[in-house]
Amino acid sequence: GAGVSQSPSNKVTEKGKDVELRCDPISGHTALYWYRQSLGQGLEFLIYFQGNSAPDKSGLPSDRFSAERTGGSVSTLTIQRTQQEDSAVYLCASSLDRVQTNIQYFGAGTRLSVL
Amino acid sequence: LAKTTQPISMDSYEGQEVNITCSHNNIATNDYITWYQQFPSQGPRFIIQGYKTKVTNEVASLFIPADRKSSTLSLPRVSLSDTAVYYCLVGYTGRRALTFGSGTRLQVQP
Repeated sequence: GAGVSQSPSNKVTEKGKDVELRCDPISGHTALYWYRQSLGQGLEFLIYFQGNSAPDKSGLPSDRFSAERTGGSVSTLTIQRTQQEDSAVYLCASSLDRVQTNIQYFGAGTRLSVL
Repeated sequence: LAKTTQPISMDSYEGQEVNITCSHNNIATNDYITWYQQFPSQGPRFIIQGYKTKVTNEVASLFIPADRKSSTLSLPRVSLSDTAVYYCLVGYTGRRALTFGSGTRLQVQP
């Protein structure tokens, strides 16, 4: 597609359940980012994939969070044993990482609500 | 990582020029300055990027002084649709965890 696509757009789950959030980056973009945004707050970096390099996981808040990127394209963010504090909008962005200026293009996000 | 400081909020009226300044005292030589705009329930959207001096596009202008320790996003003749949060980012491709601050919440009144 023309832009970054995220699914689902909304996800309601019960505390303790696992959830998977999907991101389809712009075709040809080698870099992919996941961010979390709580209500009224700025963006919190979670994880960064760049080509075939090992991902930068320095922003993941706990070992309940993990992400993978298959074939250098689609990425899945998994949250295990969800907690109420995980409720937020999860944003994915992609960029042409080989370009020095690193302009990121964002999806509309997945709004996660943990009851 | 270069830390950025922006005002938390600003108010303006339709038709006025709005200037939002971002401080980034420890900007590195390779760092670019990028501004994003975010509307409610949407992801941030790229507005403008610069390295030094002045950059202008159809949406905004970006002023960067010679020392590059700050930058100013200028929105000419704002309208109600410019009500959004504006984020200043400093970094470049080689830096992985670019940090979005809390941004500046611009409210445009009629």
